[in-house]
Amino acid sequence: NAGVTQTPKFRVLKTGQSMTLLCAQDMNHEYMYWYRQDPGMGLRLIHYSVGEGTTAKGEVPDGYNVSRLKKQNFLLGLESAAPSQTSVYFCASSQVWGGNQPQHFGDGTRLSIL
Amino acid sequence: DQQVKQNSPSLSVQEGRISILNCDYTNSMFDYFLWYKKYPAEGPTFLISISSIKDKNEDGRFTVFLNKSAKHLSLHIVPSQPGDSAVYFCAAKGRGSTLGRLYFGRGTQLTVWP
Repeated sequence: NAGVTQTPKFRVLKTGQSMTLLCAQDMNHEYMYWYRQDPGMGLRLIHYSVGEGTTAKGEVPDGYNVSRLKKQNFLLGLESAAPSQTSVYFCASSQVWGGNQPQHFGDGTRLSIL
Repeated sequence: DQQVKQNSPSLSVQEGRISILNCDYTNSMFDYFLWYKKYPAEGPTFLISISSIKDKNEDGRFTVFLNKSAKHLSLHIVPSQPGDSAVYFCAAKGRGSTLGRLYFGRGTQLTVWP
């Protein structure tokens, strides 16, 4: 069971460069999420998707864009990377929005912006 | 403004003893509370949850207690084992378009020593 797979696992960028983080889930989940985690902080929601072709802003969306062209994939883009975007990025998916059903997380992408 | 708070960044417990991790929340509209466990270089994994209509939920060595009037919940691990050493995140969610997503605390690093 792969669950939620994130690529790449590590990346170093220079300020101003762009990149795309890929998240893939094989559980046929409707909902997908991108979070960032900074030292001493909890996970903060960047963007989320409630189904194929839909996206919505979370708590900290500035500087990021997302796309959900296929149900199983959720892409997070940085158009012009900034040092403040140095963080660990986690993707998650869930079958339902509310209730006590948990979100399932990938192992993260560690991104450093120089 | 953080809606879920974990005020203890770290906790150290001897193997075999009880570990108690605490969490406070501010939004009375939260319906469900979840605990996640995170090892280094891995994504958070779901541990246990509780609905707001209950005051206790138990799963093996893990028990979560909810005190709605105090807006407080706690996770008890008995007996604690060295493999329990990890960061524990408390998370909450409610109903509706905004509350259905997860709100995370900053986490508590649990260290269980032999």
